[in-house]
Amino acid sequence: NSKVIQTPRYLVKGQGQKAKMRCIPEKGHPVVFWYQQNKNNEFKFLINFQNQEVLQQIDMTEKRFSAECPSNSPCSLEIQSSEAGDSALYLCASSLRGRNQAPLFGEGTRLSVL
Amino acid sequence: QQQVRQSPQSLTVWEGETAILNCSYEDSTFNYFPWYQQFPGEGPALLISIRSVSDKKEDGRFTIFFNKREKKLSLHITDSQPGDSATYFCAASEANTGKLTFGDGTVLTVKP
Repeated sequence: NSKVIQTPRYLVKGQGQKAKMRCIPEKGHPVVFWYQQNKNNEFKFLINFQNQEVLQQIDMTEKRFSAECPSNSPCSLEIQSSEAGDSALYLCASSLRGRNQAPLFGEGTRLSVL
Repeated sequence: QQQVRQSPQSLTVWEGETAILNCSYEDSTFNYFPWYQQFPGEGPALLISIRSVSDKKEDGRFTIFFNKREKKLSLHITDSQPGDSATYFCAASEANTGKLTFGDGTVLTVKP
């Protein structure tokens, strides 16, 4: 019943290939997060947006990872040159602005890099 | 240094029992703590949350107890059901950004 829509659910890429995944946040949610969840269930924050502007991002995303949240279009996360270590579940979440707003997650895109 | 810790890693209870999942954190600036439930192959679903100004939050069979002084909280699931079998994540939110720091999760198994 998630209202954060992520596509595709599964993505298989070879090493060095581009991988792109999309997210439609819940209606009315201006804040969007991307997290990576590895096979050990560990979450890693990647980037967050408020409307179209980046709020925070980790160093990793400045190199091979890029993300955007254009107005009136789905948000996207792209890995320019996939590596085996990028295989993970990529989760998009959205929330209202302000304090104490728990993000709601989508079902994720499971990326496998062969 | 792990900012949010959960214990135990796994927990098995019988149907009808109370499951107690523990969480602790390091950063005193964290002020909001959502718990998420995740089933295999799905994204995390928000279960219940608590603000640091409260010491208890109840929603049906789920209750969070929060001890700000000790930086600890726990999730109690009463009358556990087999359908509650899932991985539960404690998360801590940064006040200004809403960015979450997650624990490593507790895998709960409820036996019928």
